[in-house]
Amino acid sequence: DGGITQSPKYLFRKEGQNVTLSCEQNLNHDAMYWYRQDPGQGLRLIYYSQIVNDFQKGDIAEGYSVSREKKESFPLTVTSAQKNPTAFYLCASSIATPSYEQYFGPGTRLTVT
Amino acid sequence: GESVGLHLPTLSVQEGDNSIINCAYSNSASDYFIWYKQESGKGPQFIIDIRSNMDKRQGQRVTVLLNKTVKHLSLQIAATQPGDSAVYFCAENPTGRRALTFGSGTRLQVQP
Repeated sequence: DGGITQSPKYLFRKEGQNVTLSCEQNLNHDAMYWYRQDPGQGLRLIYYSQIVNDFQKGDIAEGYSVSREKKESFPLTVTSAQKNPTAFYLCASSIATPSYEQYFGPGTRLTVT
Repeated sequence: GESVGLHLPTLSVQEGDNSIINCAYSNSASDYFIWYKQESGKGPQFIIDIRSNMDKRQGQRVTVLLNKTVKHLSLQIAATQPGDSAVYFCAENPTGRRALTFGSGTRLQVQP
């Protein structure tokens, strides 16, 4: 059963703590992405990776960090420097960048209080 | 900056009617466009895509139209069903950008 998995579905943290969101894909895709979605809004790009050991900042990278040590995995760390971390986080992958369909995971809803 | 936007934030239709969701884009150099459907609390699902060398593409009950002259993209859903109720996003790939740019979404409500 191929696809993208994100865990956990819901995550709660106290302000000032770093938290890492998991994203795994078994589609053999080279490219992976992280987006943030706020209520009633579209998706904003945080980071993307075109290939293993390479990643680029998106439009709202401040306060976030990523790694791409394996093709299948692209974890996102929300640091304490992110001013408004509460949001719905979506991971996606595609065969390559840029003009290809992106497959999305089910998302992780992060709440920071 | 460059952006992708939508004309209507909410569209309400009767079951069985056809739906048309519109999207305006500002980057004339974009070469790829895609429509996604997102149900509440879930990740977006691919509906249909189109490249800039095409004007129209059809799928199962859906059609995407691209008008490059006025930089307009539309998604037509035939015989809309209650299961089509969701938020629909258009996205574009501006040339030189290595990722998609998403619009803010249109909510489609199907009345039984």
